[in-house]
Amino acid sequence: NAGVTQTPKFQVLKTGQSMTLQCAQDMNHEYMSWYRQDPGMGLRLIHYSVGAGITDQGEVPNGYNVSRSTTEDFPLRLLSAAPSQTSVYFCASRRDRVNTEAFFGQGTRLTVV
Amino acid sequence: DQQVKQNSPSLSVQEGRISILNCDYTNSMFDYFLWYKKYPAEGPTFLISISSIKDKNEDGRFTVFLNKSAKHLSLHIVPSQPGDSAVYFCAASASNTDKLIFGTGTRLQVFP
Repeated sequence: NAGVTQTPKFQVLKTGQSMTLQCAQDMNHEYMSWYRQDPGMGLRLIHYSVGAGITDQGEVPNGYNVSRSTTEDFPLRLLSAAPSQTSVYFCASRRDRVNTEAFFGQGTRLTVV
Repeated sequence: DQQVKQNSPSLSVQEGRISILNCDYTNSMFDYFLWYKKYPAEGPTFLISISSIKDKNEDGRFTVFLNKSAKHLSLHIVPSQPGDSAVYFCAASASNTDKLIFGTGTRLQVFP
């Protein structure tokens, strides 16, 4: 019973490099989202998706791209990493958009130097 | 523009006493509220929720109270236990949007 799986757990990037954070869920949830956690800022919504082929921006989308080609996967892409993107990233899924709780992955700690 | 605010970054409570964590929101369209608990190096886990049609929801030692007129909710933990020491996030969503918005978190420490 894996739930929400994120890879990698840790990553160090140089400024300007690109990478993709992977997220997969096996609960057949329609709704998936990405958050970043920073000290004093809580969890901020980056991008979200309400189903395969549908994505939208959250509170802090700049510098990130997403796609949703399948129900299970929701990768987050950093095209040109910046030190301001140093953070802990969490992927979450919900059964649907209304009145349901979100299930989170274990997080990816990203450092951009 | 922080739509969900937790004004107390930290709280320290003695074991056995009540812990009260507070959360304020600004968006009157929010109609579903949740509390999450987070241990270090782990993802947040769901604790308890409440719909805007209620003003109280209870689950064991955890009770959430909602005051819609004040746009305020609180989480009561009674009795508090050392294992409750974690960061607690409140979150809110509106039926007409797809976004689940989180607050800044409160770090609870329960000491013996």
